[in-house]
Amino acid sequence: LAKTTQPISMDSYEGQEVNITCSHNNIATNDYITWYQQFPSQGPRFIIQGYKTKVTNEVASLFIPADRKSSTLSLPRVSLSDTAVYYCLVGGQIYNQGGKLIFGQGTELSVKP
Amino acid sequence: DGGITQSPKYLFRKEGQNVTLSCEQNLNHDAMYWYRQDPGQGLRLIYYSQIVNDFQKGDIAEGYSVSREKKESFPLTVTSAQKNPTAFYLCASKGHTQGVEKLFFGSGTQLSVL
Repeated sequence: LAKTTQPISMDSYEGQEVNITCSHNNIATNDYITWYQQFPSQGPRFIIQGYKTKVTNEVASLFIPADRKSSTLSLPRVSLSDTAVYYCLVGGQIYNQGGKLIFGQGTELSVKP
Repeated sequence: DGGITQSPKYLFRKEGQNVTLSCEQNLNHDAMYWYRQDPGQGLRLIYYSQIVNDFQKGDIAEGYSVSREKKESFPLTVTSAQKNPTAFYLCASKGHTQGVEKLFFGSGTQLSVL
């Protein structure tokens, strides 16, 4: 199972771009990289997923280098409401099947006015 | 309205008591998960099930038990053997939507010891 390592915490200011990097040195060939956001006393919610290169959606971008041993979540122009914990999860993309999915410690992002 | 429903939202356990946390989903997902979260910590996997009538231990299964008799339901029992049960418990199912395979989480159950 791929173990993930992220910074414990990050600080930013409103309007700035935030980049959170996750290391996953033993990622397997069929593993995808998924990022989740969690607010206090709530379940995590999906942000973005990728396999390689760059993926962009309406809320974030995900950059994955060719060796796939790390990934970077990019949040453009953060606001106070982006203050949350962000988790990187590495696991197999088997259609509608499970498998052991282990979360890391996550990165606590604090956005200041 | 599809999703994951956890109940109750708050639960109190007395010394030596077993309690059961409910998790129901109407998303038609095969895989379901239980995680435990302590204050300021990440999510730790308790049990997971990839299909009905089958489940596997996660990293912290001791003191917990589960069943998966129906696709829609994956209840978690916190037994008296779990000496430090106070935590936030999250249930999730895994499924495919809009080209992405991802976890869908419930709103959680906060368990406290009286």
